[in-house]
Amino acid sequence: DAGVIQSPRHEVTEMGQEVTLRCKPISGHDYLFWYRQTMMRGLELLIYFNNNVPIDDSGMPEDRFSAKMPNASFSTLKIQPSEPRDSAVYFCASRPGTSGPYQETQYFGPGTRLLVL
Amino acid sequence: AQKVTQAQTEISVVEKEDVTLDCVYETRDTTYYLFWYKQPPSGELVFLIRRNSFDEQNEISGRYSWNFQKSTSSFNFTITASQVVDSAVYFCALSGPIRNYGQNFVFGPGTRLSVLP
Repeated sequence: DAGVIQSPRHEVTEMGQEVTLRCKPISGHDYLFWYRQTMMRGLELLIYFNNNVPIDDSGMPEDRFSAKMPNASFSTLKIQPSEPRDSAVYFCASRPGTSGPYQETQYFGPGTRLLVL
Repeated sequence: AQKVTQAQTEISVVEKEDVTLDCVYETRDTTYYLFWYKQPPSGELVFLIRRNSFDEQNEISGRYSWNFQKSTSSFNFTITASQVVDSAVYFCALSGPIRNYGQNFVFGPGTRLSVLP
């Protein structure tokens, strides 16, 4: 089975540009999570969706960040405008629904390494 | 509030040595789940194990073993006969009951393990 897919794997952009990160969760998983990882703050949960609906976006740092999940197999995280302090690795993760074994386990994508100059 | 502590920031061992990574957690929930993830130098986050609060049986998987002790709120991870390929950052994580899932999934700061040849 394919795991969580993220694109691009690396992104270098200039300050002020719009950045869009993409994620395809594992088929059949009902939950999708976006995380940011930095040396200073470790892994931070930004937002998560259940059945395509955003449930908790309290971790989204600023209005410059937005996330959407138009269908069960695709989500985007957008930063507009980007700033150098947004440089980080962004992970997408998905987990199964509310039944069956390992329903609590999150499976992570390979991450997108973002550098904003 | 939920909290995960990994007191060991970095550990270095020589190949074939055994090494234990400590994880101490705090939670008020009676039902909760504990996880270990591995992040190798390539950057992806790999799920290793999940344990629920009602199952205190230790688990062994090849050279990996986990010791869960509710009495000390610990979920330690031991690698036996370490190998260079074990070099990675290891994260311990904690989640609350499914109904509070999104709010209560917490990662520890990670332990960087270096296995020297």
